[in-house]
Amino acid sequence: AQSVTQLGSHVSVSEGALVLLRCNYSSSVPPYLFWYVQYPNQGLQLLLKYTSAATLVKGINGFEAEFKKSETSFHLTKPSAHMSDAAEYFCAVSEGRGGGNKLTFGTGTQLKVEL
Amino acid sequence: DAGVIQSPRHEVTEMGQEVTLRCKPISGHNSLFWYRQTMMRGLELLIYFNNNVPIDDSGMPEDRFSAKMPNASFSTLKIQPSEPRDSAVYFCASRSLDTQYFGPGTRLTVL
Repeated sequence: AQSVTQLGSHVSVSEGALVLLRCNYSSSVPPYLFWYVQYPNQGLQLLLKYTSAATLVKGINGFEAEFKKSETSFHLTKPSAHMSDAAEYFCAVSEGRGGGNKLTFGTGTQLKVEL
Repeated sequence: DAGVIQSPRHEVTEMGQEVTLRCKPISGHNSLFWYRQTMMRGLELLIYFNNNVPIDDSGMPEDRFSAKMPNASFSTLKIQPSEPRDSAVYFCASRSLDTQYFGPGTRLTVL
């Protein structure tokens, strides 16, 4: 069975500060990992994904994440926060194509960006 | 590309009524997923289809829920009869290769 744990349901940063959103996963097979962003009253938008290629993955809007197998982590970072980054962020895991790409989501982290 | 299309965007109904949610996946995507999002339970996978065939419906909460995919470009999720605890945002997603693309969701309120 696969699972995702997102530490911190709410994270607050100042504009221009580093953003770090934490995600740890559990999977019985090599995982595929995803970060999605959800703005208010909208659907989920893919930020980036790891599918067993490069361990450092770059996504849209300046976000990136690093797959660390030894730590079973896939933390999301952005060097400098912008007001427009305020949203809810979801980490998700699937057990690769063999798992039918069923996604298991974390509980989400609400990011607040302050002036 | 128009993305995944869902209708209606908002639905308000009374307990006991039938509700039908609709989804048009992105053309060429051969997998379709229905999710439900609530504050209490987060994002839950209800059912998914590959090539119009239901593969896993273990997330469907009970017999009041049913889903169909009569062709590659259309799917429905039906709740009959609806109950207040069904109030949630329902998302449809379609998949290409390894990635699921989500629609804007239908916000369902059952009074």
